[in-house]
Amino acid sequence: EAGVTQSPRYAVLQEGQAVSFWCDPISGHDTLYWYQQPRDQGPQLLVYFRDEAVIDNSQLPSDRFSAVRPKGTNSTLKIQSAKQGDTATYLCASSLGRGDEQYFGPGTRLTVL
Amino acid sequence: GEQVEQRPPHLSVREGDSAFITCTYTDPNSYYFFWYKQEPGASLQLLMKVFSSTEINEGQGFTVLLNKKDKRLSLNLTAAHPGDSAAYFCAAHDSGYNKLTFGKGTVLLVSP
Repeated sequence: EAGVTQSPRYAVLQEGQAVSFWCDPISGHDTLYWYQQPRDQGPQLLVYFRDEAVIDNSQLPSDRFSAVRPKGTNSTLKIQSAKQGDTATYLCASSLGRGDEQYFGPGTRLTVL
Repeated sequence: GEQVEQRPPHLSVREGDSAFITCTYTDPNSYYFFWYKQEPGASLQLLMKVFSSTEINEGQGFTVLLNKKDKRLSLNLTAAHPGDSAAYFCAAHDSGYNKLTFGKGTVLLVSP
């Protein structure tokens, strides 16, 4: 069974540029999560979906970040105008139901110059 | 919300020694707990999920102890080897919001 896949693996931007990250969860997993992992820190939840619905986006910087999961499968996280403070690895994870193990993708390492 | 403190931030041991990592959490309603391993440049690999209180769970080469009374979770890598060198993260699952709160991680280095 394929794991969580993400693309791109790396991105380098100038401040003010936009970028999108794509995630394909494990087949059949109804819950999808986006995390931000700054260097040398643990992952911090940005937003999560159950099917196509946003369940919690309270940690998403809403003025510049957006996330969608229109058909309840793949998801896209977009940063509209990147800042140097956004430099981090962006991880996607999926799970089946509440309380279940979350399986992580390889991440996208973003550098904003 | 839940807060998870993980110690130590860095740990260096020799091959064959034990490596002990501890996490404390604040929310008594947290029910599930996880340990993840992250090798350099790689994603997080699930080591173990625990939810029973005060129980030792044994994995391959490691032991996990959860003490809900003290709100403490620990990971003990017994007889560590260089392949165990990685960052280790604990996480607590918030039962109300279906969210994981991670500790800041422990970078373990096992030298031959």
